[in-house]
Amino acid sequence: NAGVTQTPKFQVLKTGQSMTLQCAQDMNHEYMSWYRQDPGMGLRLIHYSVGAGITDQGEVPNGYNVSRSTTEDFPLRLLSAAPSQTSVYFCASTTGGLVGGYTFGSGTRLTVV
Amino acid sequence: GQSLEQPSEVTAVEGAIVQINCTYQTSGFYGLSWYQQHDGGAPTFLSYNGLDGLEETGRFSSFLSRSDSYGYLLLQELQMKDSASYFCAKDGGFQKLVFGTGTRLLVSP
Repeated sequence: NAGVTQTPKFQVLKTGQSMTLQCAQDMNHEYMSWYRQDPGMGLRLIHYSVGAGITDQGEVPNGYNVSRSTTEDFPLRLLSAAPSQTSVYFCASTTGGLVGGYTFGSGTRLTVV
Repeated sequence: GQSLEQPSEVTAVEGAIVQINCTYQTSGFYGLSWYQQHDGGAPTFLSYNGLDGLEETGRFSSFLSRSDSYGYLLLQELQMKDSASYFCAKDGGFQKLVFGTGTRLLVSP
């Protein structure tokens, strides 16, 4: 099992560009989330999904869209990149029930110039 | 915004015991998780407390008191490799986690 796979690992965007951060898990987990982490701060929840076809907003959803067409994939779309979106993005999944915890991907380091 | 409070930094020596505290707002609270993150790495799950009391996993233990809106992570027999950031995270329902700002633990020889 690969676990949670995020691509790309690094990305530089120009202000106004759009892009999609990919996230895939092969553990048949129902629940998936996207977080961003800025220096000196904890992880902030952007969007989450409780199953295929179901998504909801987290703490900081503005400027981001998600979809969940399959159990395995949960892409995060930046609609029009801004310097404030420079951050490390983590995707995570869990089988449901937090006793076993979330499994995190290795992250995508995004810089918007 | 963040609804969990943690100390920003804790220092200790190898072999010692350290406790990292976490206080939280009670609205929408179902449980408390703890995660470890080394510099440049991804968070990794350490423990979850859904009920009051102590959960023990090897050198690490976690405690929750719902009546006090408080929990802590206890690390025993500290090792250099324990130097990392530690985050408490509130279970807000639907397996939605809200993280604290983290505590940086520095272990010295």
